[in-house]
Amino acid sequence: QVQLVQSGAEVKKPGASVKVSCKVSGYTLTELSMHWVRQAPGKGLEWMGGFDPEDGETIYAQKFQGRVTMTEDTSTDTAYMELSSLRSEDTAVYYCATVAGTLSYYYMDVWGKGTTVTVSS
Amino acid sequence: DIQMTQSPSSLSASVGDRVTITCRASQSISSYLNWYQQKPGKAPKLLIYAASSLQSGVPSRFSGSGSGTDFTLTISSLQPEDFATYYCQQSYSTLAWFTFGPGTKVDIK
Repeated sequence: QVQLVQSGAEVKKPGASVKVSCKVSGYTLTELSMHWVRQAPGKGLEWMGGFDPEDGETIYAQKFQGRVTMTEDTSTDTAYMELSSLRSEDTAVYYCATVAGTLSYYYMDVWGKGTTVTVSS
Repeated sequence: DIQMTQSPSSLSASVGDRVTITCRASQSISSYLNWYQQKPGKAPKLLIYAASSLQSGVPSRFSGSGSGTDFTLTISSLQPEDFATYYCQQSYSTLAWFTFGPGTKVDIK
C-alpha cells in the first residue's frame, strides 16, 4: 500500500523559493506517477503539475510554468516540488498525490497529508 | 482550457436525504471525470473515477453518472460522515490536466 509522507510547514518571504518533499513508502517512485495540487485558505483545489505516464514527461499547469520545478530522487523514493518567486497568493497547503488509472482514465488515488506554505514579509 | 463548474456551490441536507451534485464541463470530456470528498483539514479522498466507477472501499451509497459535458454525483442516503466538500475533476485534456471544479459544500440542515 502506497503511503506519502510530506515535509513540514514552511514560512517564506516574498520573492523566496520553497521546496516541498514527498517521500514514498510501500512502492518505489519509479512505479508511480506523482502530481502536486495546492489549496489556498478557504479555496478550492488547484492542480500544479506532475508526471505524464504516457510520454514520460513532467507537465506543468500553464499558470505555474517558469516558476515551478518538480523533480524526483529515485534513490530515496522522494519527490520534490519547488516553487520560486513566491508571493502572498502562494500561501496554501501543497499536496502530493499519486495518479493511477488505465486506458487513459487517470485519477488521484493516494494523497499526502499536505504541507502548509505561508508567504509573509 | 476546459472549465469545470459545479452546482450548487453549497447545500444543506439531513441525515438520510438523497443528495445530488452536478458538474459541468465547458466541452465534452467523454467519461474522464472523477469525484473527490474533502473534510476540513484533511486531504481529498477519491470517491468515483471514470464518471461512474466506485473506488475500492467507498460505500455504495455514492454513485456517479454522466458523460460528455454533464455529470452527477449522488449520495443515496446521507450519513453523518458525508458532510464535507465535494469536487469534480476532469482528466481529459493533458494541456490542462486534472482541472477541478470549484466544489460543493454539503452541511447539516
